[in-house]
Amino acid sequence: QQPVQSPQAVILREGEDAVINCSSSKALYSVHWYRQKHGEAPVFLMILLKGGEQKGHEKISASFNEKKQQSSLYLTASQLSYSGTYFCGTAVFSGGYNKLIFGAGTRLAVHP
Amino acid sequence: EAGVTQFPSHSVIEKGQTVTLRCDPISGHDNLYWYRRVMGKEIKFLLHFVKESKQDESGMPNNRFLAERTGGTYSTLKVQPAELEDSGVYFCASSRGLTSGNTIYFGEGSWLTVV
Repeated sequence: QQPVQSPQAVILREGEDAVINCSSSKALYSVHWYRQKHGEAPVFLMILLKGGEQKGHEKISASFNEKKQQSSLYLTASQLSYSGTYFCGTAVFSGGYNKLIFGAGTRLAVHP
Repeated sequence: EAGVTQFPSHSVIEKGQTVTLRCDPISGHDNLYWYRRVMGKEIKFLLHFVKESKQDESGMPNNRFLAERTGGTYSTLKVQPAELEDSGVYFCASSRGLTSGNTIYFGEGSWLTVV
């Protein structure tokens, strides 16, 4: 059930772009992206819903391919503050309610 | 609006001891989740409460872990007796529910080290 993220780690120079992928073996209802900095809470970035609606962060974009059961997070013109571990979470239904199941994370380091 | 708060932020205990972690969700959030992250691994689901009821506890590792949510407000997660492999960061999160574009909001976590 756990979504698979790739790559595991990315190293960027400030201003460069990166793409982080998240795929699932099960049909996706929604994909939630978070960023966690060391010692801090995971912070919500963006949600993508089945049907294409997107809510979230203005400087980071994402796509959601329902047929391929995958989502991609696009970080453009990266800033030092983008460093951290990015997690995708997929909603899994359980008894009428749902929970988020997370991938293993992608570590992003942005250097000057 | 106050966020999800967790206590303690850090705890170091010896193997065999007991630790109780507390979580206060965002006011009005009926859904409360516990997760655990071991260094370098995924944020692993442990448990989901809807109000005071355990909706899903499929991620709880074993019966050394006990979670409660008194009156549908704050929640506690007790580990008794603690083992070395229980070390990690325990995150609590809360939500109005994962429909209509809602998401879950995390606390800063309780770092548990078992020595």
